[in-house]
Amino acid sequence: DGGITQSPKYLFRKEGQNVTLSCEQNLNHDAMYWYRQDPGQGLRLIYYSQIVNDFQKGDIAEGYSVSREKKESFPLTVTSAQKNPTAFYLCASLRVGGLPNQPQHFGDGTRLSIL
Amino acid sequence: QKEVEQDPGPLSVPEGAIVSLNCTYSNSAFQYFMWYRQYSRKGPELLMYTYSSGNKEDGRFTAQVDKSSKYISLFIRDSQPSDSATYLCAMRETSYDKVIFGPGTSLSVIP
Repeated sequence: DGGITQSPKYLFRKEGQNVTLSCEQNLNHDAMYWYRQDPGQGLRLIYYSQIVNDFQKGDIAEGYSVSREKKESFPLTVTSAQKNPTAFYLCASLRVGGLPNQPQHFGDGTRLSIL
Repeated sequence: QKEVEQDPGPLSVPEGAIVSLNCTYSNSAFQYFMWYRQYSRKGPELLMYTYSSGNKEDGRFTAQVDKSSKYISLFIRDSQPSDSATYLCAMRETSYDKVIFGPGTSLSVIP
C-alpha cells in the first residue's frame, strides 16, 4: 500500500541536542510538507518542498532545518535553537499537477518531548 | 483575528444524533475547502473536499460552503461512536502549496 511513513512515533530530546524526524513516502508525490500541531492550535507549516533539492520556509521555520535529497524523503531536524520543541509533528505530501483538487496525504506523526 | 476560527469543543452527542461542525474564515481568496478527521495519535485523513460555494454529500457526511458569509460546515448524520475524533477544517487559495488549518473540534459520540 502507498503511504507516508514517519519515524519514530515518539522521540525525546535532551537540552542542547539536535534530533531528526524521518518522513518517507512511496506515493510518487512531488511536494512534501512538515507541520507542527499544538493543542488548541491548527497545523502550522514549518517547511515545504515542491521538488528535489529545493525547499521553502513556512510560517514557523526558526529552529528547524530540512533537506530534500531524494523525492521520497524529507527529513526534519529540530535544532537546539528551537526552544519549545514539544509538539506533534506531521509530514504530508501532495501530487503536483493534474486536477486542482488534490488533497494532502498525511503520515501518522511523531510526538517529540523534552527530557 | 485568526485566519480560520473553529470552536474547539469538546462536543459530546448521543449516538444517532446529527452533528454540525463549523468554521469561519477571514480570507476571501480561499477557494478550496476541506474537512479532515483526526483520531488520537494519528495523522489527519481527508473526509470532504469542496470547491467554491455549495453543498457536497458523501454518505453520512455533508459539507456546505457559504463564501458570502465566509462560513463552512460539516454535518454528520446518524453519528456513530467511531465518529469520535477531532475534526479539522482547512482551506486554501488557488495555489496548492498554502493550506490553512483551523484548530479543530473534538467530538465524542456516546453510545
